[in-house]
Amino acid sequence: GIQVEQSPPDLILQEGANSTLRCNFSDSVNNLQWFHQNPWGQLINLFYIPSGTKQNGRLSATTVATERYSLLYISSSQTTDSGVYFCAAFLQTSGSRLTFGEGTQLTVNP
Amino acid sequence: DTGVSQNPRHKITKRGQNVTFRCDPISEHNRLYWYRQTLGQGPEFLTYFQNEAQLEKSRLLSDRFSAERPKGSFSTLEIQRTEQGDSAMYLCASSLVQGIYGYTFGSGTRLTVV
Repeated sequence: GIQVEQSPPDLILQEGANSTLRCNFSDSVNNLQWFHQNPWGQLINLFYIPSGTKQNGRLSATTVATERYSLLYISSSQTTDSGVYFCAAFLQTSGSRLTFGEGTQLTVNP
Repeated sequence: DTGVSQNPRHKITKRGQNVTFRCDPISEHNRLYWYRQTLGQGPEFLTYFQNEAQLEKSRLLSDRFSAERPKGSFSTLEIQRTEQGDSAMYLCASSLVQGIYGYTFGSGTRLTVV
């Protein structure tokens, strides 16, 4: 079936460090989004990136659709970056549903 | 526009009771989605509407669950005869059919069935 896999499942950093989160997906995508889920449960949309590269401040994302993966880069991490990062894909074979990965739990220590 | 709004934020109910959640999407968005998230997992799709039409339902949406979007604006999700396994975060999202910004999620309703 349709799969979205994220790695690593957990990541612990010291403040100021850089990190890369990876998302692999099993089919061609129409939509690829990265979300940050805050401690209160809200999913904050970071990037809509079905292909190419985008940057927003200390965050950037790259999706290589032909190779079915996406990367989220976090530079100069801050404690407020802590939380769960989800990759989610709207796959051509899954109708209109957004399929989520299991998430990466990021902890940034001061 | 204040984004996607969900009410209530928290709901504690006794097993067997009925509960109803409300979602107000971004006004110009014609698609509305419901997802469920349990602890430690990613959100799972339940159902979606395009305007007032319910176009897809997941197998997760048992007969005890019903969703409506009567005028193509806000939506309600009702769970009848709640069970402890229904305890979860219920998330609503909206989008444009041809959107380039993807989905926008609300803050969710956390349901606890005791």
